[in-house]
Amino acid sequence: GQQVMQIPQYQHVQEGEDFTTYCNSSTTLSNIQWYKQRPGGHPVFLIQLVKSGEVKKQKRLTFQFGEAKKNSSLHITATQTTDVGTYFCAHPYGQNFVFGPGTRLSVLP
Amino acid sequence: DAMVIQNPRYQVTQFGKPVTLSCSQTLNHNVMYWYQQKSSQAPKLLFHYYDKDFNNEADTPDNFQSRRPNTSFCFLDIRSPGLGDAAMYLCATSRQTSGRSGETQYFGPGTRLLVL
Repeated sequence: GQQVMQIPQYQHVQEGEDFTTYCNSSTTLSNIQWYKQRPGGHPVFLIQLVKSGEVKKQKRLTFQFGEAKKNSSLHITATQTTDVGTYFCAHPYGQNFVFGPGTRLSVLP
Repeated sequence: DAMVIQNPRYQVTQFGKPVTLSCSQTLNHNVMYWYQQKSSQAPKLLFHYYDKDFNNEADTPDNFQSRRPNTSFCFLDIRSPGLGDAAMYLCATSRQTSGRSGETQYFGPGTRLLVL
């Protein structure tokens, strides 16, 4: 089935550094969602992007949807230890969404 | 307020012994999903119910079954658990099927299954 790639697979940053994860598809996506899963927790919905070139912000998080609607990114400014977790993008496939492989973020205090 | 509830949070079963995981929701959503998530992997959709209509993913093993007796409850039955079925099982809900623009999935806390 349709798959997306997420890079990097793992990212270790020092607290206060910025972090970016990328979600890349070989085909055009109608929309894309981002979820965060804390260690030992469950995925929590962060945002959905629908429009070409769309940019949305949530405090220190900035989400972008590429002009061609094949790529998306999540950028965190000045990471904090509370940002630790795995960030998944998810895209429509049939009636449902399929999750990307995720980027695991570690934040060193 | 808990919206998607999964019980138990941890379940231990023996190889080959049937086990049932439960999920309930207070959101009155039409759609309920079951995902399997293994360590360091993304959640993998097993099946979903749209109201009473059951939709199985093509690669979901026959060993996994599901029941939805009413809007609020959904069960995952593993008929003969193998060691490879040890995983986190996540239940999720949405108002409509998630492929539609604007639909969010709400996940429960998950049940971690251990097979001895």
